[in-house]
Amino acid sequence: KAGVTQTPRYLIKTRGQQVTLSCSPISGHRSVSWYQQTPGQGLQFLFEYFSETQRNKGNFPGRFSGRQFSNSRSEMNVSTLELGDSALYLCASSLDQNTQYFGPGTRLTVL
Amino acid sequence: DAKTTQPPSMDCAEGRAANLPCNHSTISGNEYVYWYRQIHSQGPQYIIHGLKNNETNEMASLIITEDRKSSTLILPHATLRDTAVYYCIVFWYGGSNYKLTFGKGTLLTVNP
Repeated sequence: KAGVTQTPRYLIKTRGQQVTLSCSPISGHRSVSWYQQTPGQGLQFLFEYFSETQRNKGNFPGRFSGRQFSNSRSEMNVSTLELGDSALYLCASSLDQNTQYFGPGTRLTVL
Repeated sequence: DAKTTQPPSMDCAEGRAANLPCNHSTISGNEYVYWYRQIHSQGPQYIIHGLKNNETNEMASLIITEDRKSSTLILPHATLRDTAVYYCIVFWYGGSNYKLTFGKGTLLTVNP
């Protein structure tokens, strides 16, 4: 069974731009969670989607948003990028509220 | 905040067992103990999880103390590819606050 896939793997943007990251969960998984990883803050939870609805949300500003489609694929969007948004963005999928399996991540660099 | 305490780093000789400890003294009765590892700049990899009983799979064994306040992840024959940061996480399936809270983990270095 294929694992979680994330696209793109690497991305370079400039301050003020916006970016959209994509995540395809493991087949049959309906829950998708997003995390941000930085050297200073470690791994932090952004939000979780289940059946196209945001079910949980972390403590991030409104510039960070997401959505989930009927096929469980998910996207996250960051608007008005700041230098501090440079990070590894990780997506994890699960059947429901159980074991999460992570994708390889998208490395975002904001210049 | 993470509910677990792990040593920041450990070394292990290749071929020997690696025993990674984790303290979770405030664990609730319905919280599971999960272990993930992360090799540099890759996504975390699920290893194993357990509630009360010891668990074993093809990657590792998980030993949970009877009072559930601590656990040990055992990699029976460590290889150089096992060098990674290992995260111990306590996690409850059914809560409304469904998320994994990662601490700083243990950097395991396997030496030749």
